[in-house]
Amino acid sequence: GESVGLHLPTLSVQEGDNSIINCAYSNSASDYFIWYKQESGKGPQFIIDIRSNMDKRQGQRVTVLLNKTVKHLSLQIAATQPGDSAVYFCAEKLHTGRRALTFGSGTRLQVQP
Amino acid sequence: DVKVTQSSRYLVKRTGEKVFLECVQDMDHENMFWYRQDPGLGLRLIYFSYDVKMKEKGDIPEGYSVSREKKERFSLILESASTNQTSMYLCASSGPVSGNTIYFGEGSWLTVV
Repeated sequence: GESVGLHLPTLSVQEGDNSIINCAYSNSASDYFIWYKQESGKGPQFIIDIRSNMDKRQGQRVTVLLNKTVKHLSLQIAATQPGDSAVYFCAEKLHTGRRALTFGSGTRLQVQP
Repeated sequence: DVKVTQSSRYLVKRTGEKVFLECVQDMDHENMFWYRQDPGLGLRLIYFSYDVKMKEKGDIPEGYSVSREKKERFSLILESASTNQTSMYLCASSGPVSGNTIYFGEGSWLTVV
Protein backbone atom coordinates (compact mmCIF):
# COMPACT_ATOMS: atom_id res chain seq x y z
CA GLY A 1 0.00 0.00 0.00
CA GLU A 2 0.95 3.60 -0.22
CA SER A 3 2.95 5.07 2.62
CA VAL A 4 5.16 8.02 3.21
CA GLY A 5 7.70 7.76 5.97
CA LEU A 6 10.63 9.63 7.41
CA HIS A 7 13.95 8.09 8.43
CA LEU A 8 14.58 10.21 11.54
CA PRO A 9 12.03 11.60 13.96
CA THR A 10 14.40 14.28 15.33
CA LEU A 11 17.35 16.02 13.71
CA SER A 12 19.62 18.33 15.68
CA VAL A 13 22.03 20.66 13.84
CA GLN A 14 24.26 23.60 14.67
CA GLU A 15 23.28 27.06 13.48
CA GLY A 16 24.96 27.75 10.17
CA ASP A 17 25.29 24.10 9.19
CA ASN A 18 23.37 22.52 6.35
CA SER A 19 20.42 20.26 7.22
CA ILE A 20 19.20 17.25 5.31
CA ILE A 21 15.80 15.75 6.05
CA ASN A 22 14.96 12.48 4.37
CA CYS A 23 11.71 10.85 3.33
CA ALA A 24 10.87 7.49 1.76
CA TYR A 25 7.75 6.75 -0.20
CA SER A 26 6.46 3.42 -1.40
CA ASN A 27 4.03 4.21 -4.21
CA SER A 28 5.74 4.46 -7.56
CA ALA A 29 2.56 6.00 -9.02
CA SER A 30 3.08 9.19 -7.00
CA ASP A 31 3.93 12.07 -9.26
CA TYR A 32 3.96 15.11 -7.04
CA PHE A 33 5.72 15.75 -3.75
CA ILE A 34 5.66 18.63 -1.30
CA TRP A 35 7.63 19.60 1.75
CA TYR A 36 5.85 21.45 4.54
CA LYS A 37 7.17 23.20 7.62
CA GLN A 38 5.06 23.31 10.75
CA GLU A 39 5.94 25.55 13.66
CA SER A 40 4.50 24.92 17.08
CA GLY A 41 0.81 25.77 17.27
CA LYS A 42 0.52 26.65 13.59
CA GLY A 43 -0.70 24.96 10.44
CA PRO A 44 1.72 23.44 7.91
CA GLN A 45 3.36 25.97 5.63
CA PHE A 46 4.33 25.14 2.06
CA ILE A 47 8.09 25.16 1.48
CA ILE A 48 8.81 23.62 -1.90
CA ASP A 49 7.40 21.06 -4.29
CA ILE A 50 8.68 18.82 -7.06
CA ARG A 51 7.08 16.81 -9.82
CA SER A 52 8.15 13.32 -10.74
CA ASN A 53 9.63 14.45 -14.07
CA MET A 54 12.32 16.36 -12.15
CA ASP A 55 15.07 15.17 -9.83
CA LYS A 56 16.04 18.47 -8.25
CA ARG A 57 14.43 21.79 -7.50
CA GLN A 58 15.87 24.76 -5.68
CA GLY A 59 14.27 27.52 -3.72
CA GLN A 60 15.59 30.13 -1.37
CA ARG A 61 18.04 28.25 0.90
CA VAL A 62 16.16 25.01 0.24
CA THR A 63 16.66 22.23 -2.27
CA VAL A 64 14.51 19.18 -2.82
CA LEU A 65 15.99 16.06 -4.37
CA LEU A 66 13.92 13.23 -5.78
CA ASN A 67 15.33 9.78 -6.48
CA LYS A 68 12.59 7.75 -8.12
CA THR A 69 14.77 4.66 -8.42
CA VAL A 70 14.84 4.18 -4.67
CA LYS A 71 11.67 6.18 -3.94
CA HIS A 72 13.48 8.70 -1.81
CA LEU A 73 12.93 12.40 -1.26
CA SER A 74 15.13 14.81 0.66
CA LEU A 75 14.99 18.41 1.79
CA GLN A 76 18.24 20.30 2.12
CA ILE A 77 18.35 23.54 4.08
CA ALA A 78 21.45 25.64 3.64
CA ALA A 79 22.92 27.66 6.49
CA THR A 80 20.30 26.53 8.96
CA GLN A 81 18.94 29.27 11.20
CA PRO A 82 17.10 29.17 14.54
CA GLY A 83 13.92 30.13 12.70
CA ASP A 84 14.16 26.86 10.78
CA SER A 85 13.39 24.91 13.95
CA ALA A 86 10.09 23.16 13.26
CA VAL A 87 8.58 19.85 12.21
CA TYR A 88 9.00 19.06 8.54
CA PHE A 89 6.60 16.84 6.62
CA CYS A 90 6.89 15.35 3.20
CA ALA A 91 3.72 14.55 1.32
CA GLU A 92 2.92 12.74 -1.90
CA LYS A 93 0.10 12.80 -4.35
CA LEU A 94 -0.90 10.05 -6.72
CA HIS A 95 -1.17 10.59 -10.43
CA THR A 96 -4.67 9.19 -10.43
CA GLY A 97 -7.30 8.92 -7.80
CA ARG A 98 -8.13 11.43 -5.14
CA ARG A 99 -6.73 14.88 -5.05
CA ALA A 100 -5.54 14.83 -1.46
CA LEU A 101 -2.00 14.42 -0.23
CA THR A 102 -0.70 11.60 1.93
CA PHE A 103 1.64 12.75 4.69
CA GLY A 104 4.47 11.21 6.62
CA SER A 105 4.64 11.52 10.40
CA GLY A 106 7.20 14.35 10.35
CA THR A 107 10.79 15.09 11.40
CA ARG A 108 11.55 17.61 14.10
CA LEU A 109 14.48 19.87 13.25
CA GLN A 110 16.24 21.44 16.23
CA VAL A 111 18.77 24.17 15.54
CA GLN A 112 21.38 24.62 18.25
CA PRO A 113 22.86 28.12 18.64
CA ASP B 1 -1.46 35.23 -0.70
CA VAL B 2 -3.77 32.29 -0.19
CA LYS B 3 -5.78 32.61 2.96
CA VAL B 4 -7.45 29.66 4.66
CA THR B 5 -9.28 30.73 7.78
CA GLN B 6 -10.55 28.44 10.49
CA SER B 7 -13.11 30.20 12.61
CA SER B 8 -12.22 28.63 15.96
CA ARG B 9 -8.69 28.14 17.24
CA TYR B 10 -9.56 26.50 20.55
CA LEU B 11 -12.73 24.70 21.54
CA VAL B 12 -13.75 22.63 24.54
CA LYS B 13 -16.85 20.51 24.10
CA ARG B 14 -18.63 17.88 26.14
CA THR B 15 -19.06 14.26 25.10
CA GLY B 16 -22.19 13.90 22.99
CA GLU B 17 -22.30 17.50 21.82
CA LYS B 18 -22.63 18.38 18.17
CA VAL B 19 -19.58 20.31 17.00
CA PHE B 20 -19.14 22.47 13.92
CA LEU B 21 -15.71 23.46 12.63
CA GLU B 22 -15.85 26.11 9.95
CA CYS B 23 -13.30 26.86 7.25
CA VAL B 24 -13.24 29.59 4.60
CA GLN B 25 -10.76 30.11 1.77
CA ASP B 26 -10.45 33.24 -0.35
CA MET B 27 -8.77 31.90 -3.49
CA ASP B 28 -11.74 30.39 -5.30
CA HIS B 29 -10.23 26.92 -4.86
CA GLU B 30 -12.23 23.93 -6.03
CA ASN B 31 -10.73 21.47 -3.58
CA MET B 32 -11.05 21.65 0.18
CA PHE B 33 -9.89 19.19 2.81
CA TRP B 34 -10.18 18.36 6.48
CA TYR B 35 -7.31 16.61 8.23
CA ARG B 36 -6.73 15.76 11.84
CA GLN B 37 -3.29 15.76 13.37
CA ASP B 38 -2.27 13.63 16.32
CA PRO B 39 1.17 13.08 17.86
CA GLY B 40 2.99 10.20 16.19
CA LEU B 41 0.26 9.76 13.58
CA GLY B 42 0.89 12.75 11.37
CA LEU B 43 -1.89 14.24 9.28
CA ARG B 44 -4.79 11.98 8.42
CA LEU B 45 -7.43 12.86 5.86
CA ILE B 46 -11.01 12.88 7.14
CA TYR B 47 -12.99 14.19 4.17
CA PHE B 48 -12.44 16.28 1.12
CA SER B 49 -14.59 18.10 -1.41
CA TYR B 50 -13.79 18.86 -5.03
CA ASP B 51 -16.85 20.95 -5.78
CA VAL B 52 -19.87 22.52 -4.13
CA LYS B 53 -22.14 19.87 -2.61
CA MET B 54 -19.59 17.17 -3.50
CA LYS B 55 -17.68 15.24 -0.87
CA GLU B 56 -15.52 12.18 -0.65
CA LYS B 57 -14.39 10.14 2.33
CA GLY B 58 -10.78 10.19 3.34
CA ASP B 59 -8.93 7.69 5.50
CA ILE B 60 -10.80 8.23 8.77
CA PRO B 61 -14.35 9.50 8.07
CA GLU B 62 -16.07 7.60 10.89
CA GLY B 63 -17.73 9.91 13.37
CA TYR B 64 -17.55 12.91 11.05
CA SER B 65 -19.58 14.51 8.31
CA VAL B 66 -18.99 17.56 6.12
CA SER B 67 -20.94 20.24 4.34
CA ARG B 68 -19.99 22.32 1.30
CA GLU B 69 -22.88 24.60 0.39
CA LYS B 70 -20.68 27.37 -0.99
CA LYS B 71 -17.41 27.12 -2.84
CA GLU B 72 -15.43 29.08 -0.28
CA ARG B 73 -16.72 27.31 2.81
CA PHE B 74 -16.19 23.75 4.05
CA SER B 75 -17.57 22.64 7.39
CA LEU B 76 -16.61 19.63 9.47
CA ILE B 77 -19.32 18.26 11.73
CA LEU B 78 -18.97 15.95 14.69
CA GLU B 79 -22.52 14.68 15.21
CA SER B 80 -21.82 13.40 18.72
CA ALA B 81 -18.39 14.32 19.99
CA SER B 82 -16.34 11.68 21.77
CA THR B 83 -13.12 11.95 23.75
CA ASN B 84 -11.15 10.14 21.04
CA GLN B 85 -11.94 13.06 18.75
CA THR B 86 -9.80 15.35 20.85
CA SER B 87 -7.26 16.53 18.31
CA MET B 88 -6.01 19.34 16.14
CA TYR B 89 -8.10 19.78 13.01
CA LEU B 90 -6.61 21.31 9.90
CA CYS B 91 -8.53 22.68 6.95
CA ALA B 92 -6.82 23.06 3.58
CA SER B 93 -7.61 24.03 0.01
CA SER B 94 -6.15 23.77 -3.48
CA GLY B 95 -7.13 24.63 -7.01
CA PRO B 96 -5.92 25.48 -10.47
CA VAL B 97 -4.47 28.77 -9.25
CA SER B 98 -2.19 26.95 -6.83
CA GLY B 99 -1.68 23.90 -9.00
CA ASN B 100 -1.46 20.83 -6.82
CA THR B 101 -0.19 22.75 -3.81
CA ILE B 102 -2.43 22.45 -0.78
CA TYR B 103 -2.59 25.41 1.58
CA PHE B 104 -3.49 24.99 5.23
CA GLY B 105 -5.27 27.04 7.83
CA GLU B 106 -3.85 27.61 11.30
CA GLY B 107 -5.72 24.70 12.86
CA SER B 108 -8.47 24.22 15.41
CA TRP B 109 -7.63 22.58 18.72
CA LEU B 110 -10.63 20.59 19.91
CA THR B 111 -10.81 19.08 23.37
CA VAL B 112 -13.74 16.78 24.17
CA VAL B 113 -14.30 16.22 27.88
